[in-house]
Amino acid sequence: NAGVTQTPKFQVLKTGQSMTLQCAQDMNHEYMSWYRQDPGMGLRLIHYSVGAGITDQGEVPNGYNVSRSTTEDFPLRLLSAAPSQTSVYFCASREQGASYGYTFGSGTRLTVV
Amino acid sequence: GDSVTQMEGPVTLSEEAFLTINCTYTATGYPSLFWYVQYPGEGLQLLLKATKADDKGSNKGFEATYRKETTSFHLEKGSVQVSDSAVYFCAPLVHSQSKRLRKTSYDKVIFGPGTSLSVIP
Repeated sequence: NAGVTQTPKFQVLKTGQSMTLQCAQDMNHEYMSWYRQDPGMGLRLIHYSVGAGITDQGEVPNGYNVSRSTTEDFPLRLLSAAPSQTSVYFCASREQGASYGYTFGSGTRLTVV
Repeated sequence: GDSVTQMEGPVTLSEEAFLTINCTYTATGYPSLFWYVQYPGEGLQLLLKATKADDKGSNKGFEATYRKETTSFHLEKGSVQVSDSAVYFCAPLVHSQSKRLRKTSYDKVIFGPGTSLSVIP
């Protein structure tokens, strides 16, 4: 199994540009989430999904959109990139239920200049 | 609200030393408890878990016991190696209710700030 696959691994954007970070999982997990990781801030939840067609905002949703048209895919869209969105982004998935942990992707390192 | 506190470090130990990383949490209900590890340049990996009081999770020589009375889940290893150098995250999983989506409940993971461990030869 590939697990959780994120693309691209690295990206540089100019302020105001838009882009989509891709995330795909092949484990048939219902739950998928996007986190950003910044030095000294830990992991902060951007958006999450509890199944295809159902998404909700996390702690820091502003400037980001998501959709979940299939169980496998959960793309994160940056609408108009800002330097404050420079970060490492992680996608994660897990089965529904209290005893299941997350499987994380390897991350996308985004720099906005 | 739900929260988790863990020692932030950085922690520097010599090889074969004993490791303890403290983690305490505040949560409504009865959370499941997890530790994740992040090696340099990688995503987080699940290290171990415990889902009920007095359960002990273990993996790769690491252990943590679910202490409901003290709401703690301290991570321990008897003899660390250089390859254990990483950042460790304590992460309770709590049941929550969406504020926007009516009748939608979900299991929310709360990540601690992470503890950086460096093991020197």
